[in-house]
Amino acid sequence: DAKTTQPNSMESNEEEPVHLPCNHSTISGTDYIHWYRQLPSQGPEYVIHGLTSNVNNRMASLAIAEDRKSSTLILHRATLRDAAVYYCILSSPSGSARQLTFGSGTQLTVLP
Amino acid sequence: NAGVMQNPRHLVRRRGQEARLRCSPMKGHSHVYWYRQLPEEGLKFMVYLQKENIIDESGMPKERFSAEFPKEGPSILRIQQVVRGDSAAYFCASSFDRVSNQPQHFGDGTRLSIL
Repeated sequence: DAKTTQPNSMESNEEEPVHLPCNHSTISGTDYIHWYRQLPSQGPEYVIHGLTSNVNNRMASLAIAEDRKSSTLILHRATLRDAAVYYCILSSPSGSARQLTFGSGTQLTVLP
Repeated sequence: NAGVMQNPRHLVRRRGQEARLRCSPMKGHSHVYWYRQLPEEGLKFMVYLQKENIIDESGMPKERFSAEFPKEGPSILRIQQVVRGDSAAYFCASSFDRVSNQPQHFGDGTRLSIL
């Protein structure tokens, strides 16, 4: 499985934008880039995913580098509720496996 | 729309007892995945099931653990003769299809404590 690398932790001030980076230099051409987050005592929550083009939804935006070796999750205005561990995961269409491989993610702290 | 429902939320067992964890996928989803999160660790894949079939159980411990997803009813993760090391949060996820662009939707987990 292609691996992802994320910073262990990041801090942001409330109501400011947050850019969470992810490196995936060994990504294959058919791998999708998924982002999930996990709030304390809850299950992971799907945030956004993309293949090549930038994506926007009500929660966040995903900016994907042209060579696809990195991506950035953008929270446009961080709130205290956004404090969570954010996981960047590659999802491969190969074979029967559909497991998500969670790394250690980025712990986002939002300061009031 | 109900999300993925897991019960119980908390389960306490003594060593040697059996634990049964239930997962009802989102409506219309026929693919179920189980993950385990040990204390202070990340989530690890255990098993992937489709209705009545185990598709991938590469993450399941070889002994004492089993999973099923019957034609009717919830998916069940069963742990026989539990040991202290089984204490963890067990999460279930479901998806509509198994193609790689379909997100998985997670429940809030069952926290298993072994006395």
